Amino acid sequence: AQKVTQAQTEISVVEKEDVTLDCVYETRDTTYYLFWYKQPPSGELVFLIRRNSFDEQNEISGRYSWNFQKSTSSFNFTITASQVVDSAVYFCALTEEAAGNKLTFGGGTRVLVKP
Amino acid sequence: DAGVTQSPTHLIKTRGQQVTLRCSPKSGHDTVSWYQQALGQGPQFIFQYYEEEERQRGNFPDRFSGHQFPNYSSELNVNALLLGDSALYLCASSSPLTGRNEQFFGPGTRLTVL
Repeated sequence: AQKVTQAQTEISVVEKEDVTLDCVYETRDTTYYLFWYKQPPSGELVFLIRRNSFDEQNEISGRYSWNFQKSTSSFNFTITASQVVDSAVYFCALTEEAAGNKLTFGGGTRVLVKP
Repeated sequence: DAGVTQSPTHLIKTRGQQVTLRCSPKSGHDTVSWYQQALGQGPQFIFQYYEEEERQRGNFPDRFSGHQFPNYSSELNVNALLLGDSALYLCASSSPLTGRNEQFFGPGTRLTVL
């Protein structure tokens, strides 16, 4: 069975600080996809990134970067030079090839960026 | 190009009542999935519809049912509402062209059961 754990429930930082969100996953499938979503107070889930299990390259997109390590089953997310607009709940999610595209989400990490 | 839309945005019901939530997928998408997000938790998969049939189902009771129409829009029905059904209900759509695992979410319907 697939499982995603986000151990940090809430992180508070001051603007311009870096913040790293941890995500650990469990799966028995060799082909799977990992995601990060942002959920602002409005409630809509905003897609940030998708990685497949065969691509362990780290990725950077502007102030966002992701570190995928299969050896530790982790897919961590870093926001560099945080801004107030980054305040939101961030979810890590997993889908297995064998499970169609049913997403399993972690419990989320609330990020509060103070000015 | 309209994204995923859901209606209504908010809904208040009482225990025992029935509710219907609606979802229109993103243009070109043929698969719709529904998720329930309780306060302070991550979304939980309810079920998925493709070609007007339920293809996958999560761990939800039969009180939760759905339907997909020929235009790919979908409804989520919940019967005999319980207080614990209060949640944000999210609809997501996907397409075989972009990969079914890439899902786009709507703004959600917030259901409150009193």
